[in-house]
Amino acid sequence: GQNIDQPTEMTATEGAIVQINCTYQTSGFNGLFWYQQHAGEAPTFLSYNVLDGLEEKGRFSSFLSRSKGYSYLLLKELQMKDSASYLCAVRERDKLSFGAGTTVTVRA
Amino acid sequence: DGGITQSPKYLFRKEGQNVTLSCEQNLNHDAMYWYRQDPGQGLRLIYYSQIVNDFQKGDIAEGYSVSREKKESFPLTVTSAQKNPTAFYLCASSDNPLAGGTDTQYFGPGTRLTVL
Repeated sequence: GQNIDQPTEMTATEGAIVQINCTYQTSGFNGLFWYQQHAGEAPTFLSYNVLDGLEEKGRFSSFLSRSKGYSYLLLKELQMKDSASYLCAVRERDKLSFGAGTTVTVRA
Repeated sequence: DGGITQSPKYLFRKEGQNVTLSCEQNLNHDAMYWYRQDPGQGLRLIYYSQIVNDFQKGDIAEGYSVSREKKESFPLTVTSAQKNPTAFYLCASSDNPLAGGTDTQYFGPGTRLTVL
């Protein structure tokens, strides 16, 4: 089984930066995904890390340290539309396990 | 357009009735998945299928059943044995994870089931 932890809620101001941390424990790590989910909608894929380091995609970046069982998602230049839940998911062999999600609220 | 469809978006049923949720994809993906999402909890895997005519139980399969007769379709039946069926149900698909690659899962819009 897996234990995936991420903060429940975070609040930030429009234009600012927010970092969402995710820690995990797994016996067979095989990749980590970040998804964005707006209320009542389906999760949409943001990023994927399988090797240590930083992956950058526009305003979003994701970092992985396999030895520490740690990842973060960095959201830069926050916009109101970034208000959503962000889900960390760890792949072990052929299945994904999801954290409970971090609700980010962006304030003007 | 390629994608995953789930219907209906909202579904109401009386307690004790079985109900089937549909999931169709035209992405030519081998693997398909069913998740359940409850408030304050992560997505929990119900069943998954990596190939036609084969499927495996996920973490919370009790009270659910599935079939995979066609590559494009993976319907989920919520039976009367499921104790707390009211939830948001999400279907996803991906390339075969055992074939390597990122096998990113892409989600359908979801079905919100309410059992009265």
